[in-house]
Amino acid sequence: GDSVTQMEGPVTLSEEAFLTINCTYTATGYPSLFWYVQYPGEGLQLLLKATKADDKGSNKGFEATYRKETTSFHLEKGSVQVSDSAVYFCALSNQGGKLIFGQGTELSVKP
Amino acid sequence: DAGVIQSPRHEVTEMGQEVTLRCKPISGHDYLFWYRQTMMRGLELLIYFNNNVPIDDSGMPEDRFSAKMPNASFSTLKIQPSEPRDSAVYFCASSNTFSGPKGYTQYFGPGTRLTVL
Repeated sequence: GDSVTQMEGPVTLSEEAFLTINCTYTATGYPSLFWYVQYPGEGLQLLLKATKADDKGSNKGFEATYRKETTSFHLEKGSVQVSDSAVYFCALSNQGGKLIFGQGTELSVKP
Repeated sequence: DAGVIQSPRHEVTEMGQEVTLRCKPISGHDYLFWYRQTMMRGLELLIYFNNNVPIDDSGMPEDRFSAKMPNASFSTLKIQPSEPRDSAVYFCASSNTFSGPKGYTQYFGPGTRLTVL
């Protein structure tokens, strides 16, 4: 069945460092891909998405490119801030509205 | 729009008691999802509805759990009887398919933190 695999956390970075969180997927067909973020004590919220190969999703300085050849959707940000500390979830949607989530990657950014 | 509304935000109960969690999806959304999140198991999909009809309940852990969606603006998740291992944060989310078959975005509520003593 469809699945999503993320790099394990926690990831600890200093402020202004470059961030990469790896995400790969297994799916039939052409899924849509998402990154969700969960801040402490809150629900998940959509960070960015891409619906077809080579699409780049971007929001709040974060970017991810849908790479069908490597079945990947890695999240990147050039300069992280303390306020980016959160748990990040990669997910895919293939059909029927259901999302398949990865296990989440905790990011901690130190001043 | 007010977003997805869940109540209560926190629930503390004793083992054996019935617990009912409530969710109001975003108006006009035709999908509704119930998730459970724990440190040990991460985020788990319990059940989801389309147009008020349950589509997949394979994630419901056992018969003690039940969910209903009597109309497009309300859903409940009930645990009876509750057990300490049910302690978790329960999220409700909704989405709509009006934008087409791709790119459904799920909007999550703030969650209900359940503690069963």
